[in-house]
Amino acid sequence: KAGVTQTPRYLIKTRGQQVTLSCSPISGHRSVSWYQQTPGQGLQFLFEYFSETQRNKGNFPGRFSGRQFSNSRSEMNVSTLELGDSALYLCASTAGGGLNTEAFFGQGTRLTVV
Amino acid sequence: GENVEQHPSTLSVQEGDSAVIKCTYSDSASNYFPWYKQELGKRPQLIIDIRSNVGEKKDQRIAVTLNKTAKHFSLHITETQPEDSAVYFCAARTMEYGNKLVFGAGTILRVKS
Repeated sequence: KAGVTQTPRYLIKTRGQQVTLSCSPISGHRSVSWYQQTPGQGLQFLFEYFSETQRNKGNFPGRFSGRQFSNSRSEMNVSTLELGDSALYLCASTAGGGLNTEAFFGQGTRLTVV
Repeated sequence: GENVEQHPSTLSVQEGDSAVIKCTYSDSASNYFPWYKQELGKRPQLIIDIRSNVGEKKDQRIAVTLNKTAKHFSLHITETQPEDSAVYFCAARTMEYGNKLVFGAGTILRVKS
């Protein structure tokens, strides 16, 4: 069974640009969550998608958005990039609507904003 | 919302010794508590988890204990080995918030050989 796949692995963008990151969950998993990891703030929850609907949202500005497709693949978009958006973006795949199940993480996308 | 505090931030132990990492959470409705290990440059990987209806769980050298009354849970690693060196994160999940995980700040564990 393939694991969680995130693309691209590395990105360098300029302030003011926008970026789209992709996450393909484990086959059969319907929930995808996104996290931002930085040395200073640790792992911060961005949002969760389940069956193409955003189910939860963290405390991030509206520049951060996401969506989920019918095949459960998810994308997140960051517009008007700021230097502080430089981070490792991780997605996590969970089996389904039932709770208390394990979240599997992708390798992450390392975003550098210059 | 939920808040998770984790201590210590760094922990150095001698190979073969035990290591204990502690976390406290604020939301009494939290019912799932996973622990993740993240090696340098790698993804977080689940090493053990515990649900709120269980007080303790063991898996070989790793154990987790949960005290719901005090709202804290701990990771215990016995007979530490150099390959245990990594960053460890605790997390909590509340049914009300789907699969959202709230993470502690992490503990850097160094096992000296």
